[in-house]
Amino acid sequence: DAMVIQNPRYQVTQFGKPVTLSCSQTLNHNVMYWYQQKSSQAPKLLFHYYDKDFNNEADTPDNFQSRRPNTSFCFLDIRSPGLGDAAMYLCATSRGPVGGYEKLFFGSGTQLSVL
Amino acid sequence: QQQVKQSPQSLIVQKGGISIINCAYENTAFDYFPWYQQFPGKGPALLIAIRPDVSEKKEGRFTISFNKSAKQFSLHIMDSQPGDSATYFCATAPRLTFGEGTQLTVNP
Repeated sequence: DAMVIQNPRYQVTQFGKPVTLSCSQTLNHNVMYWYQQKSSQAPKLLFHYYDKDFNNEADTPDNFQSRRPNTSFCFLDIRSPGLGDAAMYLCATSRGPVGGYEKLFFGSGTQLSVL
Repeated sequence: QQQVKQSPQSLIVQKGGISIINCAYENTAFDYFPWYQQFPGKGPALLIAIRPDVSEKKEGRFTISFNKSAKQFSLHIMDSQPGDSATYFCATAPRLTFGEGTQLTVNP
């Protein structure tokens, strides 16, 4: 029973061509997160939504944006992907509130390649 | 600024052996210490967690040892199995911050 579903599993885009990654959840959790994980590194939080409230991390580039049209879905938009944006993008959810106390449920990620 | 330091970066253990991964932190405001397990091609999953009011927590073959005075905590995997081969991340709360990760390989 997949609880946090990310599509597509692999995404290839061209340098500078906008790309959207999607995430859906069946857990009805309040909080949804987007993490970037590069090879052999820890996941890095980009931003999160607590319900409809959007919270951007201070060091997240403006190139990255997100939308959450409803409780179940969340999207990551990369407006002009650069070679350095090639990474695994992980979506996660938690009941809330935001923070490390709550168990995070991660999807399997979308591996983004930028050519 | 690395708020939690994890070691070793990689670890190879024989089947049946004990795997030990260590983490150290500086901020005494941290009050919750989860460990996440990540298999290749998958997202991390919560494995076990501890609060600083106890020195040890055990769940099956997995044990967290916590030393508040030294600001260190470690994950012990007893009777390590090839299926335990994964990357392990320690983390701290309230603001979830991951360590750099340890890639564990358990040889048959």
